[in-house]
Amino acid sequence: NAGVTQTPKFQVLKTGQSMTLQCAQDMNHEYMSWYRQDPGMGLRLIHYSVGAGITDQGEVPNGYNVSRSTTEDFPLRLLSAAPSQTSVYFCASSQQASGSGGIGPAYFGPGTRLTVT
Amino acid sequence: GESVGLHLPTLSVQEGDNSIINCAYSNSASDYFIWYKQESGKGPQFIIDIRSNMDKRQGQRVTVLLNKTVKHLSLQIAATQPGDSAVYFCAENNGGFKTIFGAGTRLFVKA
Repeated sequence: NAGVTQTPKFQVLKTGQSMTLQCAQDMNHEYMSWYRQDPGMGLRLIHYSVGAGITDQGEVPNGYNVSRSTTEDFPLRLLSAAPSQTSVYFCASSQQASGSGGIGPAYFGPGTRLTVT
Repeated sequence: GESVGLHLPTLSVQEGDNSIINCAYSNSASDYFIWYKQESGKGPQFIIDIRSNMDKRQGQRVTVLLNKTVKHLSLQIAATQPGDSAVYFCAENNGGFKTIFGAGTRLFVKA
């Protein structure tokens, strides 16, 4: 299993440009999520999905869109890049937790390092 | 590699000693807690988890302790090795689909 894969690894954008960060997982996990990581602020949840066709907002959703057409893929779109979106972006997937509801531990991809100038 | 968390709390320990990393959580409704390890330039890696119906859980060289009364979580690493040097995050979940991460603690292991 490749686990969670992300492309690209690095990206530089100019303000106002749009782009899509790709994420795929081969573990058949229903739950997928996107986080951004900024220095000293841990990871903040952008959007998440509990299954194909179902997405919802996290803590910091503004400026980002997601869709989930298949179980495997969960792309993150930046609509009009801003310098405040310079960050490291991580995609993660989880299984549903057995018995107690909710989700199990997250398995993260290697990240995409985005710089917006 | 990329450096994240430039102003994180830092714990420095001697190789072979035990490490204790602490975490205070904020939501009394949280019932699932997870510890992650993040090495430079990599994504966070799951270490161990614990549900609120337990006070202690042990893995290989790691133990997580949960004190719900004071909303405190700790990660103990036995016989710390240079390969344990990383940033450690605690995370909490209230049984839903939003997992909230703490800011992290950087662990330095001196050889």
